[in-house]
Amino acid sequence: GESVGLHLPTLSVQEGDNSIINCAYSNSASDYFIWYKQESGKGPQFIIDIRSNMDKRQGQRVTVLLNKTVKHLSLQIAATQPGDSAVYFCAETASGNTGKLIFGQGTTLQVKP
Amino acid sequence: GAVVSQHPSRVICKSGTSVKIECRSLDFQATTMFWYRQFPKQSLMLMATSNEGSKATYEQGVEKDKFLINHASLTLSTLTVTSAHPEDSSFYICSARRYGNTIYFGEGSWLTVV
Repeated sequence: GESVGLHLPTLSVQEGDNSIINCAYSNSASDYFIWYKQESGKGPQFIIDIRSNMDKRQGQRVTVLLNKTVKHLSLQIAATQPGDSAVYFCAETASGNTGKLIFGQGTTLQVKP
Repeated sequence: GAVVSQHPSRVICKSGTSVKIECRSLDFQATTMFWYRQFPKQSLMLMATSNEGSKATYEQGVEKDKFLINHASLTLSTLTVTSAHPEDSSFYICSARRYGNTIYFGEGSWLTVV
């Protein structure tokens, strides 16, 4: 079935270092991927998205890479800050362009000062 | 600022009563909204798709008679948890689909059933 998973449940980085959060997906027909940040007790916050016709997309301090060959998605955060500490979810659109999102397990990013 | 608003952010209700959670798109019309449920330290689980002017589409295993969804306008969807029980206590999150595939989430509503 369709599933999106994350490789590591927790990632601990030093402030100022770069962070890389990985995600594997199984549905090769998915055409839209999104990274969300969720702080404790709050709803998911959109970070960046990418469509399947792209390999890379950059935002402010964040970059998303998509490798369709191995069905892998990653989120890179440059110069990680304490405020980046949160749970990060990748999500993909379900097949059929319904707008329904399938979420991965989530990776907790801990930034050490 | 937030483009999708949920209300209430926290609610406590007695077992057996019903509680309504609202989801509003603030500056755009959303023909489709989604309701999710999230348990602590777990991912978001899609409960149903709310379509303006038509019945909601529920995911497998979600009781439609227990979780009533109404999408009466292009900016408002409501989730009513009927005859709530302590096991319904959870974090409920809505999202709204903007033009194309852009989806924005509300801040979530904490429901505690005592």
